[in-house]
Amino acid sequence: DAGVTQSPTHLIKTRGQQVTLRCSPKSGHDTVSWYQQALGQGPQFIFQYYEEEERQRGNFPDRFSGHQFPNYSSELNVNALWLGDSALYLCASSLGRGSYNEQFFGPGTRLTVL
Amino acid sequence: AQSVTQPDIHITVSEGASLELRCNYSYGATPYLFWYVQSPGQGLQLLLKYFSGDTLVQGIKGFEAEFKRSQSSFNLRKPSVHWSDAAEYFCAVAIPTGTASKLTFGTGTRLQVTL
Repeated sequence: DAGVTQSPTHLIKTRGQQVTLRCSPKSGHDTVSWYQQALGQGPQFIFQYYEEEERQRGNFPDRFSGHQFPNYSSELNVNALWLGDSALYLCASSLGRGSYNEQFFGPGTRLTVL
Repeated sequence: AQSVTQPDIHITVSEGASLELRCNYSYGATPYLFWYVQSPGQGLQLLLKYFSGDTLVQGIKGFEAEFKRSQSSFNLRKPSVHWSDAAEYFCAVAIPTGTASKLTFGTGTRLQVTL
């Protein structure tokens, strides 16, 4: 049973560019959450997708957007990149219904903005 | 808004020694509480969680944590540390809304184990 997968593993961009990161949830999961982890910090919640809609959002600007597909996979898009966007981007999947369900994390995508 | 404090940025212990990592949270009620471990180049792995009930919870890899409501704390412990425990440890909280609510993490404690 494959866990949460993310692509690409590493990415280098320059300021002002746009980037798309991808996440495939664990089999059977229907909810995807994205987190940003800057160097030396804990992960910070960006947003969560369930039933192809953004359900919760953290304190991130509109430059950060996402999408969830019918197969529950998800994309994180960041426009107008700046140096401060350099971080490890983590995707987590879970079940959206019922009581709180554990979030399973992928290995992350390391984004470097030059 | 909820917040999590991990006062120790870096801790070094000898292999075989006991370990306690501190975590304090700020929230009006009792949130769901978690400890995650992150090894270099890896994602986050859940060690244990507390929702309600017995305040001493057991997790994987021999870890345990104790919830103390009066101190708003959820400290992680291990009686005897192994060299493979060297990693970054994160305490996290979630608000019990009944759905897969967001996790709020502390800044982490880096554990170094000396042989």
